[in-house]
Amino acid sequence: IAGITQAPTSQILAAGRRMTLRCTQDMRHNAMYWYRQDLGLGLRLIHYSNTAGTTGKGEVPDGYSVSRANTDDFPLTLASAVPSQTSVYFCASSESPSGEQFFGPGTRLTVL
Amino acid sequence: GQSLEQPSEVTAVEGAIVQINCTYQTSGFYGLSWYQQHDGGAPTFLSYNALDGLEETGRFSSFLSRSDSYGYLLLQELQMKDSASYFCAVRVGETTDSWGKLQFGAGTQVVVTP
Repeated sequence: IAGITQAPTSQILAAGRRMTLRCTQDMRHNAMYWYRQDLGLGLRLIHYSNTAGTTGKGEVPDGYSVSRANTDDFPLTLASAVPSQTSVYFCASSESPSGEQFFGPGTRLTVL
Repeated sequence: GQSLEQPSEVTAVEGAIVQINCTYQTSGFYGLSWYQQHDGGAPTFLSYNALDGLEETGRFSSFLSRSDSYGYLLLQELQMKDSASYFCAVRVGETTDSWGKLQFGAGTQVVVTP
């Protein structure tokens, strides 16, 4: 693989269920990010990690959790999904402190 | 609070020049980025300005004025494939967080017509 992969590509989920979105990068980038994109609102940062073992909260962290056990993987977990979490989720990474981030293909999540 | 403003849509013909403006109000500003996103696709990085001035990359140029909290993306010699959404994003952070984080605008839909 090259770049960032996300799984699943899409998912329909019942409200109240737990869901983990997976993100893996093979570029050995230090920093990784999770965004959600809703129509008309651009991308909003959910959580981020500047290096393995550390995480931080973004603009819209409520209802989501992340972990960063190693450099390559950065899973996003919805503990109990709600319909307002219906969105397209993008994972991204960056090599250094700059404005350049590399994005994965996204996961389209629908919570019913 | 922090905010970014950019036009929602711009329409132009092939071969024309389009300028997408972005104004921002934010604290802890490090720089301004631009991203392109085609329908259903992942955002892709176009440019990053940390200092005032113009950066040119092929047909695309980006400008930043820190004193005016303003930047723009210039698309020249428009092609049909340039039809996409374009997002400005400010890189912001605290002094203890040298990495900073990106905050995105709502995006500008560029429609290129024949």
